[in-house]
Amino acid sequence: GQNIDQPTEMTATEGAIVQINCTYQTSGFNGLFWYQQHAGEAPTFLSYNVLDGLEEKGRFSSFLSRSKGYSYLLLKELQMKDSASYLCAALDSNYQLIWGAGTKLIIKP
Amino acid sequence: GAVVSQHPSRVICKSGTSVKIECRSLDFQATTMFWYRQFPKKSLMLMATSNEGSKATYEQGVEKDKFLINHASLTLSTLTVTSAHPEDSSFYICSASDPTSDRNEQFFGPGTRLTVL
Repeated sequence: GQNIDQPTEMTATEGAIVQINCTYQTSGFNGLFWYQQHAGEAPTFLSYNVLDGLEEKGRFSSFLSRSKGYSYLLLKELQMKDSASYLCAALDSNYQLIWGAGTKLIIKP
Repeated sequence: GAVVSQHPSRVICKSGTSVKIECRSLDFQATTMFWYRQFPKKSLMLMATSNEGSKATYEQGVEKDKFLINHASLTLSTLTVTSAHPEDSSFYICSASDPTSDRNEQFFGPGTRLTVL
C-alpha cells in the first residue's frame, strides 16, 4: 500500500532550526510536496522536489532522496508565526497526491 | 501563484438540509479539481476527483449520492452535501491543478467549515 510517515508533533525554540522528516512508499513517484497549514486554514504550498538534493528558498529548505524514499523540511531562524502543521505529500504514478498526517510544529519563545 | 476561491467559507445548517459549496479557479482553467475533507487534527482526506465535463471519481468509502459533485466548466466545481447530518460536520477544502504547471501543484481554496446541527 501507499504510505507517508512523518512525526505527529515537534517543539522548537524561536530563532532555532528544526528539521521535519518524511518517509514515503508510493506506487511510482512524480515528486514530493511540503505544505504549511495554520489551524482553521487551507494548506499553502512551500516546496516541491522531484530530483535528489536540497532546494533552498529563504528560511525554508527541502531535501529529497528518492532511493531512500525520504524527504525533510528544514526551517531556519524560527519565528512564532511558523507554528503550524506541515504536511508532506507524494505524487504517485497516477499523479495523485498521497498525504501524510501532518506534523504539528510548536514554537516556544 | 494561481488563485482558487471557495464559497461559502462557513455554513451552519440544520440536519436534513442540503449544502452547496462552490470552488472556482480565478486566473487559470482547471481541468481537474479535487475535494477534500479534514477532521480536527487529522490530515486531508481526498473525497473525489472532479474532471470538467465528466463524472467525478470518488474515493473508496465516499458515497457519491450523498456528496454530489458537478464540474460544469473549466473554472467551477461544486460539492453538494445532501441531507446533511451532524457527522458530516467537517472542514471541506477544494483544490485545482493548473495544467500549464510543470510540477503538478495543487492550489487550494480557503476551505469551508460546515457545521450541521
